[in-house]
Amino acid sequence: GNSVTQMEGPVTLSEEAFLTINCTYTATGYPSLFWYVQYPGEGLQLLLKATKADDKGSNKGFEATYRKETTSFHLEKGSVQVSDSAVYFCALSEKIQGAQKLVFGQGTRLTINP
Amino acid sequence: DTGVSQDPRHKITKRGQNVTFRCDPISEHNRLYWYRQTLGQGPEFLTYFQNEAQLEKSRLLSDRFSAERPKGSFSTLEIQRTEQGDSAMYLCASSLGGPPYNEQFFGPGTRLTVL
Repeated sequence: GNSVTQMEGPVTLSEEAFLTINCTYTATGYPSLFWYVQYPGEGLQLLLKATKADDKGSNKGFEATYRKETTSFHLEKGSVQVSDSAVYFCALSEKIQGAQKLVFGQGTRLTINP
Repeated sequence: DTGVSQDPRHKITKRGQNVTFRCDPISEHNRLYWYRQTLGQGPEFLTYFQNEAQLEKSRLLSDRFSAERPKGSFSTLEIQRTEQGDSAMYLCASSLGGPPYNEQFFGPGTRLTVL
């Protein structure tokens, strides 16, 4: 079946550092790809998405590009802030009857120190 | 607050007891999903409703689990004869109908601890 593999965490960086969280996927067909973020005590929130190959999703300074040739969707940010501390989940969409479900990676906990 | 709400936020129960969780989706959303998240893992799909019809169930949803959405609005997830392995965060999400994929909005989750 379809699956998502994320970079092992936790990741600890200093403020203003460059961030990369790796994500690769295995899927039949061409799923949509997503990054979700879970801040402490809050629900999952969609951070960005890409629906086809070579699409770039971006939001709040974060970017990820849908790479079909490497089956990857790595998350990047040029300069992280303390407020970016959270758990990040990479996910893909998988068709079910009348809709699509999300298949998530295991999550990467990010801590940014001032 | 017009987001997805879940009740209770936390539930502690003894092994063998039954528990029921409630999810209230965003009002105009006709699709509703349940996921389960164990410690250190990503959420896993359990089941999906379009209006009141339960259209998809994961094999993770054993016979002890049942979900309903009686009027196509709120949904309940019941676990009978709970086991320690049922301890997890149970997440509800909702989305609009129409295209196969519309953004899923997640609630804060119900954290279940089975002693």
